[in-house]
Amino acid sequence: GAVVSQHPSRVICKSGTSVKIECRSLDFQATTMFWYRQFPKQSLMLMATSNEGSKATYEQGVEKDKFLINHASLTLSTLTVTSAHPEDSSFYICSARVGPDTGELFFGEGSRLTVL
Amino acid sequence: GQQVMQIPQYQHVQEGEDFTTYCNSSTTLSNIQWYKQRPGGHPVFLIQLVKSGEVKKQKRLTFQFGEAKKNSSLHITATQTTDVGTYFCAARVAGFQKLVFGTGTRLLVSP
Repeated sequence: GAVVSQHPSRVICKSGTSVKIECRSLDFQATTMFWYRQFPKQSLMLMATSNEGSKATYEQGVEKDKFLINHASLTLSTLTVTSAHPEDSSFYICSARVGPDTGELFFGEGSRLTVL
Repeated sequence: GQQVMQIPQYQHVQEGEDFTTYCNSSTTLSNIQWYKQRPGGHPVFLIQLVKSGEVKKQKRLTFQFGEAKKNSSLHITATQTTDVGTYFCAARVAGFQKLVFGTGTRLLVSP
């Protein structure tokens, strides 16, 4: 199957700092990537749909200025958590489809963010 | 917005027992997907169902899509400890590329 790589897998930062998470499709081009957030023992909540070369589409309740998404190439999307606070601590996972009509999502390994 | 509920939230079984998780949507779905997430891991695609009443099998796993395309189920026969994890159904929102995940069912299997 297709491979999606996410980095870093774990990050600890101080409150007020910004953290960037990278999501790469290693063996395919992804015009669209999806960013999810997952709290412990809970489901995946879609944060935004990242589109290559255009602005991301954010879900209701997700702050655009807080969670900056950039999809500058067909193989890379980044999520930047700006001015992080302890309540932003979570598991962030990106995913992508190989093609627009294929159903299956391939997920990155996830990034666990802890804000002190 | 679209909601996808799963029951039960959690189930603990003895190895060898069967397990079923149910997925219910508030709206008619074009298709339904199932994913498995091992503890500490990321979701992995299991299967996609498209047709009304469709049944698909993968070894000990049986997936079913309801006739009204509003619900789905995953049944595991004779569970093994390797089946431990959280099982999510996911529905594609009509007209959009995004996938909405169900609430998930966490399965624990004791040897």
